[in-house]
Amino acid sequence: DTEVTQTPKHLVMGMTNKKSLKCEQHMGHRAMYWYKQKAKKPPELMFVYSYEKLSINESVPSRFSPECPNSSLLNLHLHALQPEDSALYLCASSLLGGPYEQYFGPGTRLTVT
Amino acid sequence: GENVEQHPSTLSVQEGDSAVIKCTYSDSASNYFPWYKQELGKGPQLIIDIRSNVGEKKDQRIAVTLNKTAKHFSLHITETQPEDSAVYFCAATTSSSNTGKLIFGQGTTLQVKP
Repeated sequence: DTEVTQTPKHLVMGMTNKKSLKCEQHMGHRAMYWYKQKAKKPPELMFVYSYEKLSINESVPSRFSPECPNSSLLNLHLHALQPEDSALYLCASSLLGGPYEQYFGPGTRLTVT
Repeated sequence: GENVEQHPSTLSVQEGDSAVIKCTYSDSASNYFPWYKQELGKGPQLIIDIRSNVGEKKDQRIAVTLNKTAKHFSLHITETQPEDSAVYFCAATTSSSNTGKLIFGQGTTLQVKP
C-alpha cells in the first residue's frame, strides 16, 4: 500500500482566515514533505520533515507553518494568505530521510480570495 | 544551481506508437532519477525510477535509461494507450541528497490519440 491521504480536497479561504491542511500515511515512512504546485508547473518543495524534525525549509513565508505531530501525520497551518498562494498543495512521504521513492497524496486545491 | 531540463514540453502520438521523453541534469553528484505521471486532478504517481549505478530499468511497457557521462536520462513508453495520456515529470536528486531534495523537470504533456 503506497497511499498518502490529504484533507480537505478543496479549500477556499479569505485572506484573514486561519485554516489547516492535513496529511496522513500509514506506510511507516519517516520522511514527509510539503510541496506547492501551480498550474502546468512542477511541484516546488516547501518543507521536509525527517524523523519528525524539520530538516528543510525552502525559505517559505511565515504565513505557512508546518507541524509534524507524529510519524504518520503532517499538518500545514495557513494564516493571512495572499491570492498568489492559490495552488495545489501536495504532501509526500518516503521511507527514510533521503529523497528516494517519494509517494505523493492527491493534494489539496487551495483558493485564496 | 542545480537544474533539470526536460524535452519535449508536449508530445502527441497515435495509440500503439512509442513515446520518448528526455531529461538532462546538471549536478554530477545526482544519484537517483524518478519519473512521475500526473493525471488531471491527481497527485504525481511514481511510475519508475533508476539509481546511478544502473544503466537501464524496465517495468512492462515503460523503461528508463541513464547515461551518466552525458548526464541525461530518458523515459520510454511502448505500445502507448489512451490511459497513458498525462503530464510526466522527471526529477533528479541534488548533491545534498541525504536531505531529501528532488529537482523536477518542467514536465511533458503526453497525448495518446485513439
